[in-house]
Amino acid sequence: AQSVTQLDSQVPVFEEAPVELRCNYSSSVSVYLFWYVQYPNQGLQLLLKYLSGSTLVKGINGFEAEFNKSQTSFHLRKPSVHISDTAEYFCAVRLTGGFKTIFGAGTRLFVKA
Amino acid sequence: KAGVTQTPRYLIKTRGQQVTLSCSPISGHRSVSWYQQTPGQGLQFLFEYFSETQRNKGNFPGRFSGRQFSNSRSEMNVSTLELGDSALYLCASSPGGTGNTGELFFGEGSRLTVL
Repeated sequence: AQSVTQLDSQVPVFEEAPVELRCNYSSSVSVYLFWYVQYPNQGLQLLLKYLSGSTLVKGINGFEAEFNKSQTSFHLRKPSVHISDTAEYFCAVRLTGGFKTIFGAGTRLFVKA
Repeated sequence: KAGVTQTPRYLIKTRGQQVTLSCSPISGHRSVSWYQQTPGQGLQFLFEYFSETQRNKGNFPGRFSGRQFSNSRSEMNVSTLELGDSALYLCASSPGGTGNTGELFFGEGSRLTVL
């Protein structure tokens, strides 16, 4: 069975600083990988996804993530964060051809002025 | 295109009661998934429906059930409510079908409080 581990439950960072949110997954077969963001009192929305091909994927709002198959990681990065990036971020995995998406526990990003 | 719509947004029930939550997916989407979100457990997969068939189910007791209608709208039901069922219930839709990459489009959720 697949699983997802988000290594940091909370990440405080100053505005305009870079940030990395870490995600490791476990699966014996090929997977699709996703990052979603949840703002307060809202549902989740997709930031970016890795399906195949280039290991560096770019998403909305200046975020990007790199798929590392040997380390089974899919870390999310942004070179310069804004106050408006304060939210909870979820890494997720889905088996290719599967019907279930498994989410990590989430990382709360708090951007300080 | 309208997004995923969940009703009701907020509800309060007492222990022992039952509740039905509704989800209308994006037009053309045939797959609907349900998740329970709590501060301690994060997002837990409940079940997924495609063309009125449940294709996958999470590890929840039988008190949690769902169904999907021919127009792809879905409902989930929780019977004999317990305090621990207090959560945000999220519905997500996707096109489904062959070649689907599984990108999920979420509603804003139904927040259930059990007293």
